[in-house]
Amino acid sequence: VQLQESGPGLVKPSQTLSLTCNVSGDSVIRGGYYWSWIRQHPGKGLEWIASIYNSDSTYYNPSLKSRVSISVDPSKNQFSLKLTSVTAADTAVYFCAKDPAYGGTHYFDCWGQGTLVTVSS
Amino acid sequence: DIQMTQSPSSLSASVGDRVTITCQASQDISNYLNWYQQKPGEAPNLLIYDASNLEAGVPSRFSGSGSGTDFTFTISSLQPEDIATYYCQQYDDLPLFTFGPGTKVDLK
Repeated sequence: VQLQESGPGLVKPSQTLSLTCNVSGDSVIRGGYYWSWIRQHPGKGLEWIASIYNSDSTYYNPSLKSRVSISVDPSKNQFSLKLTSVTAADTAVYFCAKDPAYGGTHYFDCWGQGTLVTVSS
Repeated sequence: DIQMTQSPSSLSASVGDRVTITCQASQDISNYLNWYQQKPGEAPNLLIYDASNLEAGVPSRFSGSGSGTDFTFTISSLQPEDIATYYCQQYDDLPLFTFGPGTKVDLK
């Protein structure tokens, strides 16, 4: 499986950040996988943002829940992230990742290369 | 929410040295703990899952142990290609995944 993020590298404050993760080598509607977004602020650690399971069960980091949504587009074999009302604090490298959730075990075993999103006017 | 801490935050070691990193959870997370390696400019790479299981293809010099709140990650003999930042990550508090702050390993 390979994952590749795409989307604007620059977003204005108060606007919506939209990113897409293209999945190759597997189906985004394959049952059992958690397709996820994780971000990393410049020079900082990793922050889980959201996951989607079986195309319709969504899970969000409580700290971002009011502004974030995740969805799947089976026709394009992609999943997407939207983050509204962005501020400079949302400037980060955004990674998409796969959690196969084998037998109740959870880990991120496949990651995209990451895409830097800068929030600035 | 479960908080994760790591120590040290950084360390310098020589090639061939044994390197140990600890990760502590703010509450019991059983063995629901993973370890990742991240090299500059790259995505994290899974090394250890469920505290002590080596991911396929990962060199055996990497190992993990622990359960409950205290975990240890070890590189038995540091190699130049191991220079990276290492993160622990818990999944006991599903669906909230939490990462530790990271430990940067460089060469002395």
